[in-house]
Amino acid sequence: DVKVTQSSRYLVKRTGEKVFLECVQDMDHENMFWYRQDPGLGLRLIYFSYDVKMKEKGDIPEGYSVSREKKERFSLILESASTNQTSMYLCASSFGSRTGPNEKLFFGSGTQLSVL
Amino acid sequence: KQEVTQIPAALSVPEGENLVLNCSFTDSAIYNLQWFRQDPGKGLTSLLLIQSSQREQTSGRLNASLDKSSGRSTLYIAASQPGDSATYLCAVGDDYKLSFGAGTTVTVRA
Repeated sequence: DVKVTQSSRYLVKRTGEKVFLECVQDMDHENMFWYRQDPGLGLRLIYFSYDVKMKEKGDIPEGYSVSREKKERFSLILESASTNQTSMYLCASSFGSRTGPNEKLFFGSGTQLSVL
Repeated sequence: KQEVTQIPAALSVPEGENLVLNCSFTDSAIYNLQWFRQDPGKGLTSLLLIQSSQREQTSGRLNASLDKSSGRSTLYIAASQPGDSATYLCAVGDDYKLSFGAGTTVTVRA
């Protein structure tokens, strides 16, 4: 079974702090994604990556950056955390070519981030 | 921009009843449609994936249909059980992006 592991289940940070959320997958998937999930708004795509060192903006990239130095690891960085970034963050991966996500998406358990 | 809608937002049924969950989307130029299950405070688990060229997919008690021309998908869960209580989300795939609905929260009463 595919395993997508997010480093923290719960995280509490202060406004202005730099925050790193880590995600590791063990199935040699090309594609990795970061979503945030908020009540009433559903899941929204922040960034995704289809190869090492490649990244593309999703629907809501403002205030975030990402890093993919190794195929199995995709990091989400909040440069200066703000209260409106309090949310559930979900990492996902899939095996697919550049032509489209024709494979199932596998999610991690999520990180509930609170910014105070 | 793709808009995905799931109605109703919540559903409560007695055990044994069949569940019918609806998903609609605005742009029919899709790669695939996926149905996910999410338990409270957890990540999402993929249930079924329907390619754009397919009409339906089945797995056990689950059956999902896809009608691209009308922009609709339906997830059927036969003979519901209390363990089916969860939030069910549909997502439409277009290139790399999956656009998600807000989900339908299902409660199956014993």
